[in-house]
Amino acid sequence: AQSVTQPDIHITVSEGASLELRCNYSYGATPYLFWYVQSPGQGLQLLLKYFSGDTLVQGIKGFEAEFKRSQSSFNLRKPSVHWSDAAEYFCAVAQAGGTSYGKLTFGQGTILTVHP
Amino acid sequence: KAGVTQTPRYLIKTRGQQVTLSCSPISGHRSVSWYQQTPGQGLQFLFEYFSETQRNKGNFPGRFSGRQFSNSRSEMNVSTLELGDSALYLCASSLKGGSGELFFGEGSRLTVL
Repeated sequence: AQSVTQPDIHITVSEGASLELRCNYSYGATPYLFWYVQSPGQGLQLLLKYFSGDTLVQGIKGFEAEFKRSQSSFNLRKPSVHWSDAAEYFCAVAQAGGTSYGKLTFGQGTILTVHP
Repeated sequence: KAGVTQTPRYLIKTRGQQVTLSCSPISGHRSVSWYQQTPGQGLQFLFEYFSETQRNKGNFPGRFSGRQFSNSRSEMNVSTLELGDSALYLCASSLKGGSGELFFGEGSRLTVL
């Protein structure tokens, strides 16, 4: 069964500092990979996605992520964090080429706190 | 373009009761998925509907059910509520052939007393 691990439950950074959130997945083939963000009391918003091709993908709000097949990782990065980035971040995986478009397996999430 | 709308946003029930939650997808989206979010288990897939047919189901007991109507609106029902059913229930819609890009509603917060 596919699974997603986000090793860091909670990360604290200072505003303006760089950020890297880790994500490792376990899957038999190359999956589709996603990062979502959830602000308190809100639903999830897609930050970026990887299907194939260039392993470095750009997303919204200045985020990027790099797919590393050899490490089964899809880490999220941002060069300079803003206070408004404080939220919970979820990595997710879906079956590539599957017929189920709405079934994602999510990691447990990483809560990001930003200090002024 | 209106987003995914879920109703009600908050509700309180007692054990043994049943509850129905509603989801209106983004116009033109024909796939609707449901997720349960709890602090302990995180985000777990419940089921997915496309063109009124259930395409996939997560590992939940039969007390959890859903359906989709011809206008793509969806409802999920939980019967014989248990304390552990307290959660945020999220609905997401997507286009057919979509890429796994799900558009989420703000959720229905269910508290079971």
